[in-house]
Amino acid sequence: DGGITQSPKYLFRKEGQNVTLSCEQNLNHDAMYWYRQDPGQGLRLIYYSQIVNDFQKGDIAEGYSVSREKKESFPLTVTSAQKNPTAFYLCASSIGFFSGNTIYFGEGSWLTVV
Amino acid sequence: GDSVTQMEGPVTLSEEAFLTINCTYTATGYPSLFWYVQYPGEGLQLLLKATKADDKGSNKGFEATYRKETTSFHLEKGSVQVSDSAVYFCALITILTGGGNKLTFGTGTQLKVEL
Repeated sequence: DGGITQSPKYLFRKEGQNVTLSCEQNLNHDAMYWYRQDPGQGLRLIYYSQIVNDFQKGDIAEGYSVSREKKESFPLTVTSAQKNPTAFYLCASSIGFFSGNTIYFGEGSWLTVV
Repeated sequence: GDSVTQMEGPVTLSEEAFLTINCTYTATGYPSLFWYVQYPGEGLQLLLKATKADDKGSNKGFEATYRKETTSFHLEKGSVQVSDSAVYFCALITILTGGGNKLTFGTGTQLKVEL
């Protein structure tokens, strides 16, 4: 089945560690996104990518990094510079960047700092 | 900048009650509007969308009409079920200055349906 796969579902990070969240899609979508969700809040955009080898910062990019070496993959690294990384992370994709295009989401990854 | 405002939750209803979740927005131009639903511990699923004024999106008994004059996109369902218990997010497409677009979300409204 086509969809967006995020892994791992649950991840624990020690202070000072970098961790990488995986996102793979087989929908042949050009655009991919990373959002962060905190309890009781809406989602905030971290990074997005329109095409391979190109990506742009979203609203809260500090302390995060991404790569887009393949169309189907858009991993997110949470670096030690991110001071409050505990959150639910959602990867998403869409066919392109037209206003009416639907953005589809993965199942999310929970990151907890221990 | 663009923004979305949703009614505060949680909203608690009895099964078969009528549901309304209010959503208003501020945006330049005429963005496409969306409702997403999130079940506990899961990602977001698209519930319905509308791409222009007066459009009505509908799915699984839920409806929302794009009202340009009131900048609103209220979610309604005539008879809720326990299985509708979830968090509902209203969102609009925002055009990014660097090219591309993103979803701007409201803070979400939790719905609890009881027997």
